Amino acid sequence: SAVISQKPSRDICQRGTSLTIQCQVDSQVTMMFWYRQQPGQSLTLIATANQGSEATYESGFVIDKFPISRPNLTFSTLTVSNMSPEDSSIYLCSLGTGAYGYTFGSGTRLTVV
Amino acid sequence: TQLLEQSPQFLSIQEGENLTVYCNSSSVFSSLQWYRQEPGEGPVLLVTVVTGGEVKKLKRLTFQFGDARKDSSLHITAAQPGDTGLYLCAGARAAGNKLTFGGGTRVLVKP
Repeated sequence: SAVISQKPSRDICQRGTSLTIQCQVDSQVTMMFWYRQQPGQSLTLIATANQGSEATYESGFVIDKFPISRPNLTFSTLTVSNMSPEDSSIYLCSLGTGAYGYTFGSGTRLTVV
Repeated sequence: TQLLEQSPQFLSIQEGENLTVYCNSSSVFSSLQWYRQEPGEGPVLLVTVVTGGEVKKLKRLTFQFGDARKDSSLHITAAQPGDTGLYLCAGARAAGNKLTFGGGTRVLVKP
């Protein structure tokens, strides 16, 4: 199965700034997914990153706040913009299919102060 | 309201005991998956079940998919401290690949 390298693993950021999270995959994949996991909670899908087109965002998430890039089939970035303490979460990228299961990156633990 | 309801939310047991985690929905899923997540890591896939009534065994773990494909259970026999973690069920609908996650069950196995 594919291996995902996600970085940074953690960061502490000042409110009002932005952080870009990167995910590199060791093989080409059509779709990548970005999730948020708030402390002690389950996973919520932010958006689906498609290569060659704009990302598809879930209800409650907007491109201005969470811009996503997908320049090729092995790489994607998620930016958390104009951060506030409410953005403190674990952010995870993943790939896979509903039928066969997903592989997740190790996550980025973001703390906004 | 979560589309997938997991119960219990938290389970603390002694090593050697058995445990069962439930995942229930009013919706039908084409497949259902179970993941375990440890602190500082992403979720790791344990199993995917796709056929109603299907039972899969993975060493001491037994997974069952309900006949109507609306619910699932995870049973661990003779739990060990290494089974400690957050267990997540996730369902895929017939259309598309998006997963919907349950709220998670935090399991603590004490030595």
